[in-house]
Amino acid sequence: DAGVTQSPTHLIKTRGQQVTLRCSPKSGHDTVSWYQQALGQGPQFIFQYYEEEERQRGNFPDRFSGHQFPNYSSELNVNALLLGDSALYLCASSLGSGFLGNEQFFGPGTRLTVL
Amino acid sequence: TQLLEQSPQFLSIQEGENLTVYCNSSSVFSSLQWYRQEPGEGPVLLVTVVTGGEVKKLKRLTFQFGDARKDSSLHITAAQPGDTGLYLCAGAYNNDMRFGAGTRLTVKP
Repeated sequence: DAGVTQSPTHLIKTRGQQVTLRCSPKSGHDTVSWYQQALGQGPQFIFQYYEEEERQRGNFPDRFSGHQFPNYSSELNVNALLLGDSALYLCASSLGSGFLGNEQFFGPGTRLTVL
Repeated sequence: TQLLEQSPQFLSIQEGENLTVYCNSSSVFSSLQWYRQEPGEGPVLLVTVVTGGEVKKLKRLTFQFGDARKDSSLHITAAQPGDTGLYLCAGAYNNDMRFGAGTRLTVKP
């Protein structure tokens, strides 16, 4: 039973470019959440997708957008990259919308470096 | 500014020692979770506490949720090198999840 998988593992971009990160949830899970973890910090919640819609959103600008597909996999898109977007991007899957009572399983993350 | 403050930020101890790390907030949470994260991996859930004053034990780890549901502690007895990692606390609302910055624990053989 595969856990949460993310691709790519590492990515290097330059300022102003756009990036797409991908996540496949754990088998049986229907909800995907995305987090940004800057160096030396804890993860910060970006948004959560359930039934192909963004259900919850953290304090991130509109440059951060996402999508969920019918097979529950998800993409995170970041436009007009800034140096400050350099971070580890984590995907977590769970069963059901929201956070209360829903255990999240995290993937290994995508390390994004913006030069 | 982190909504959840974790202390200490770094902790280096010898194998066999006991330790306690703390997670404090001015906000009340519906539930609080502890995770451990190792380099190159995502966080792994250790425990969820829901009720104020709740104490949960997981082998050598003891977790406590404060009576007011604003703070929590993690106590490790007889630490082992395998306990090395970043320990994160996270407070949950239904529509949001907030993490602390973590305590980076190193247990030396």
